[in-house]
Amino acid sequence: QVQLQQWGAGLLKPSETLSLTCAVYGGSFTDHNWSWIRQTPGKGLEWIGEIHHSGSTNYNPSLKSRVTISVDTSKNQFSLKLSSVTAADTAVYYCARNANSGYYFDLWGRGTLVTVSS
Amino acid sequence: QSALTQPRSVSGSPGQSVTISCTGTSSDVGGYNFVSWYQQHPGKAPKVIIYDVTKRPSGVPDRFSGSKSGNTASLTISGLQAEDETDYYCCSYAGGFYVFGTGTEVTVL
Repeated sequence: QVQLQQWGAGLLKPSETLSLTCAVYGGSFTDHNWSWIRQTPGKGLEWIGEIHHSGSTNYNPSLKSRVTISVDTSKNQFSLKLSSVTAADTAVYYCARNANSGYYFDLWGRGTLVTVSS
Repeated sequence: QSALTQPRSVSGSPGQSVTISCTGTSSDVGGYNFVSWYQQHPGKAPKVIIYDVTKRPSGVPDRFSGSKSGNTASLTISGLQAEDETDYYCCSYAGGFYVFGTGTEVTVL
């Protein structure tokens, strides 16, 4: 059974860089694209971006200037960096698997709460 | 890239049907047949219940159904059950990225 395990710092100060990693266990890493999605109380769910095992990426235009998603195929892991965070970036961040049969997310990590506060 | 518009809440009695709308634009919902719906219980990750507008993943009860007309997609829950009381989100592919809906809370009266 495929599982996504994610981790990263949960408390940041404004202007710092958010860094999260998601590891894929028990399934094929190269058959899918992999996404980061966040959820804030005020704005609901927001897709941040995705990465292919080759390293090609797509980002949400509204976050593109601050986001970097990278992949380490040797470890079946992908990572998110979001720079210059503010309180508005406080959210639960999820890693997710893009279905290989369509444009949707068929497997999600448990989520990591990231709080930005001075 | 504005969020797709959903009603904040809908409610129904057990056994009744409820429908949740998801309104976007011709650049997302209206432009692609790639609308998905997610059910999210408190403290849990979302779970896909509809994809490609009308398709159900295996294991999802057939009381959940999806449709689309123009720039608006809809999720219908037929034969409402107590366990259906939770939050629902739509999502649409928008040509290189994805847009989620604002979310709807379903209450079973």
